[in-house]
Amino acid sequence: EAGVTQFPSHSVIEKGQTVTLRCDPISGHDNLYWYRRVMGKEIKFLLHFVKESKQDESGMPNNRFLAERTGGTYSTLKVQPAELEDSGVYFCASSQDGVTGRKQYFGPGTRLTVT
Amino acid sequence: SQQGEEDPQALSIQEGENATMNCSYKTSINNLQWYRQNSGRGLVHLILIRSNEREKHSGRLRVTLDTSKKSSSLLITASRAADTASYFCATHTGANSKLTFGKGITLSVRP
Repeated sequence: EAGVTQFPSHSVIEKGQTVTLRCDPISGHDNLYWYRRVMGKEIKFLLHFVKESKQDESGMPNNRFLAERTGGTYSTLKVQPAELEDSGVYFCASSQDGVTGRKQYFGPGTRLTVT
Repeated sequence: SQQGEEDPQALSIQEGENATMNCSYKTSINNLQWYRQNSGRGLVHLILIRSNEREKHSGRLRVTLDTSKKSSSLLITASRAADTASYFCATHTGANSKLTFGKGITLSVRP
């Protein structure tokens, strides 16, 4: 069974540019999560999809971030325009259901560097 | 605000020794989980302990939970070089299914 995949693995962009990150969850997993780790800080929750619907987007930092999950399969996270403080590693995770305590399977992350 | 906070921040031990990592949190939890991240890889789920459990074992891993002190510890026995990684505790609170992570502990196991 393929795990959670993320693309690209690394992205370097200039401040003001746009970047789109993609996450492919494990097949059949309705729940998809985005997290971010900024250098030296803890991993923080961004948002949670159940199928194509946003269940919880309380962690999205501002309106420069837009997440979509059309069709309830893969998800994209767009940052437009990117700022220096957006640099970090963006993780995607999926789970079979949103039951509290259900294990989440994480992807390898996308390292975003904004210069 | 940060929920989980691990200590030490970094730990270096010799292969064969035991490694103990601690995590403290601030609010009531439903369960606490430990994850490992090898360099350049994603987070791997290690073990989950529920709020009504005090201790759990999985292979060389032993996790304890003290809800009165809002703390947990992860013990890795007979460490191996392959255990070198970053370790994170994460909590589930209430009915929300998101995870709240600490900053992580960097474990180095010297061969």
